[in-house]
Amino acid sequence: AQTVTQSQPEMSVQEAETVTLSCTYDTSESDYYLFWYKQPPSRQMILVIRQEAYKQQNATENRFSVNFQKAAKSFSLKISDSQLGDAAMYFCAYRSWPNKLIFGTGTLLAVQP
Amino acid sequence: GAVVSQHPSWVICKSGTSVKIECRSLDFQATTMFWYRQFPKQSLMLMATSNEGSKATYEQGVEKDKFLINHASLTLSTLTVTSAHPEDSSFYICSATDPGLAGELTADTQYFGPGTRLTVL
Repeated sequence: AQTVTQSQPEMSVQEAETVTLSCTYDTSESDYYLFWYKQPPSRQMILVIRQEAYKQQNATENRFSVNFQKAAKSFSLKISDSQLGDAAMYFCAYRSWPNKLIFGTGTLLAVQP
Repeated sequence: GAVVSQHPSWVICKSGTSVKIECRSLDFQATTMFWYRQFPKQSLMLMATSNEGSKATYEQGVEKDKFLINHASLTLSTLTVTSAHPEDSSFYICSATDPGLAGELTADTQYFGPGTRLTVL
């Protein structure tokens, strides 16, 4: 069975600085999708970024980018120029067949002004 | 695009009563919808997967007779918590996917509703 591990329960970053959130996963599949979702205090789950395993190029969405290392089964999220609105719980997720999401335990990100 | 709504956003009920939560896809057809449960400061736990027009598939350990799921149309799924008890109090979140969605964030992405906080007294 697939598993997703987020080893950083909490992280803190200064406004305008860069922070990297870690995520590792375990799978025997060769084709899959990985996601980062953000859950602010409102508890609305917001898609941050997604990565297809067959793509070697790392996904980017504005200030958010990933470092996808397929062989190492690692999928970290980098947030550049951190803003106060980035403060939230961040969940890494793996999409298994047939389209079920397996979530990590989350990383609570605090942004210090 | 890809907006999912839930109603109600919060509900308080007495023990033994039933509560219905609606999940709607507003601007796309959701062939598949998912229901999750989230306890405070914890991750999301998948309860069931529902496909339009067919019976829901429940995850191991989820009581299908307690958590009734109906996905009668391409834009609406409902979760009914029957004979609710205080231990059913939780945050319930739905999500939806549509294979027909085009663009950068496509068919394999789940879009989430804002959640429903259920408190059973």
